[in-house]
Order: sequence, then structure tokens, then C-alpha cells
Amino acid sequence: GIQVEQSPPDLILQEGANSTLRCNFSDSVNNLQWFHQNPWGQLINLFYIPSGTKQNGRLSATTVATERYSLLYISSSQTTDSGVYFCAVESAARGYNKLIFGAGTRLAVHP
Amino acid sequence: DAGVIQSPRHEVTEMGQEVTLRCKPISGHDYLFWYRQTMMRGLELLIYFNNNVPIDDSGMPEDRFSAKMPNASFSTLKIQPSEPRDSAVYFCASSTDSLDWDYGYTFGSGTRLTVV
Repeated sequence: GIQVEQSPPDLILQEGANSTLRCNFSDSVNNLQWFHQNPWGQLINLFYIPSGTKQNGRLSATTVATERYSLLYISSSQTTDSGVYFCAVESAARGYNKLIFGAGTRLAVHP
Repeated sequence: DAGVIQSPRHEVTEMGQEVTLRCKPISGHDYLFWYRQTMMRGLELLIYFNNNVPIDDSGMPEDRFSAKMPNASFSTLKIQPSEPRDSAVYFCASSTDSLDWDYGYTFGSGTRLTVV
């Protein structure tokens, strides 16, 4: 099945810093999503981005489908950005309708 | 829409008891997924349904686990008998192939299960 690798596994930032999280995947995808799991365990959908670039406030994401990677940018980080960021992909293989998660990047933003 | 609704939010049960987790997908979504999250294995897909029909249950850990979707607005995940190693957070998610939906999968708030 499709493999999803996220880097870095852990990231510590000072409030106000910028960061880039990376997601590599092993096959063509129909769907790619970035999630933020907050300290209460909720999975918040940040972006649905199988290709192209999207922006939402201080967050933006870019997926280069032909090169099989996606990047999540966090600018001017805040303590509320802390948590785990997951990349999840759905393979484009016929009949493969399921979202596979990477291991996540654990982010801690300190004041 | 209120999103994907899961109940209960927390469940503590004794080993050997039956546990039933419930999920209401977003209205109009024709795919429903059950995921389990543990520290050791991360987020793993247990089973998914399309139009109320189970499509892939290869992630279901063993016969003690079963899932049903009797109609488009309700699904259950049952563990009988429960064991301490089943302790985890169980998430339900729904989605659709409709081109009008540009948000991918939507997840519920999860059920935190503790088996003692």
C-alpha cells in the first residue's frame, strides 16, 4: 500500500517563528489532507490539498503531486499551534478509497 | 450540518464487557470510516463502508471487533469481549465522492475507550 512519511518527527519553536513541515508519499494520490490534532485529541481538518497551493490565515500548504510531496507552512507561530500535525493521503489506485495517515509531526510552541 | 457525531465521548469498562461505539456521519456522505489511534500504532483504519456496505475490513484486529451500518445515518463499532489492549481513541469519519464537496474526510471528536 501507499507509504506516508512526515518530517521532522518533533519540532520546538519560539512563539513568532516560522516553520515548514514535510510529507512524502510513495504513489499517486486522489486526496491529501493536513490535520492538526490539538491537546484535547480533536482532529481538525486544515487543508484538503491533493495538488496546488492553499492559504488560510497564518497557515498555507503546497502539494506537488508529480514529485509526491506536500509542505505545510506555519508563519508567526503561536502557542495554540502546539499539537500534532498529520498528513494523510488517499491512493489514486482504483478502488482504494481510504485515507492513510503518516506518523505525524509533534510541534511545541513556547512563549 | 453538525459534522460527524460520535458517542460516547469517553467510555470506561471492565475487561470482558461488551462495548458499543456509535457514529452519525454527515448527511449526504456515502463513505464512513472507523479509525483507531494508539501511541504504538498511530492512526489506523479499521473498516470502511460505502453506501452502508462494508468494503474493506482488513484493519479489524480480530473477531472480537464488529461494525455495522444499518442505514445511511448510523454506524456502530462493537467490541465483545473487550480487553485492556483495546484501550485507544476510536474515530469515525465520513466523506463523499461528490465534486461539490471539497473538504475531504471529516472526523468526529472520537471516543476514548479505557478497558480496565
